Amino acid sequence: EAGVTQFPSHSVIEKGQTVTLRCDPISGHDNLYWYRRVMGKEIKFLLHFVKESKQDESGMPNNRFLAERTGGTYSTLKVQPAELEDSGVYFCASSLARGSEAFFGQGTRLTVV
Amino acid sequence: EDQVTQSPEALRLQEGESSSLNCSYTVSGLRGLFWYRQDPGKGPEFLFTLYSAGEEKEKERLKATLTKKESFLHITAPKPEDSATYLCAAGGQLTFGSGTQLTVLP
Repeated sequence: EAGVTQFPSHSVIEKGQTVTLRCDPISGHDNLYWYRRVMGKEIKFLLHFVKESKQDESGMPNNRFLAERTGGTYSTLKVQPAELEDSGVYFCASSLARGSEAFFGQGTRLTVV
Repeated sequence: EDQVTQSPEALRLQEGESSSLNCSYTVSGLRGLFWYRQDPGKGPEFLFTLYSAGEEKEKERLKATLTKKESFLHITAPKPEDSATYLCAAGGQLTFGSGTQLTVLP
């Protein structure tokens, strides 16, 4: 069975540009999460989807970040316009039920220069 | 605010030298205490979920235990391939600790 897949694995963009990250969860997992780790810090929660609905987006840093999950399948996280402090590793995870174990993708390393 | 603290930050062991990693947590409404292993350049890999105080789970050389305020990851007779960062997480949306970087020397 395929795990959580994230694209791209690496992205280097200039400040002010737009970047879209994609996450394909494990098939059948209604719960999808986005997390971020910035240099030297802990992994931090960004938001949580249940199917196509945003259940909790309390961790989103500001309105330059937009997450979508059309049709309750894959999800995208768009950063527009990107700033230097957005650099970090963005992880996606999915779980069968809320509170059950979440399985992570390999992450997207975003570098804003 | 949910808080998860891990200690030590780094741990170096000789192969076969058993030890324990600590995770203390303060969360509103524990829905599970999770342990993950993370290798460089990869995403966290799920190890265990513990739901109630007194619960224990084992997998190969690893055993996780849970009290009302702490969890321990015991590593028995570790091997070099156990070298990784071990992460603890708790709370509804997973609040992560900063991890323990374990190095097992041959």
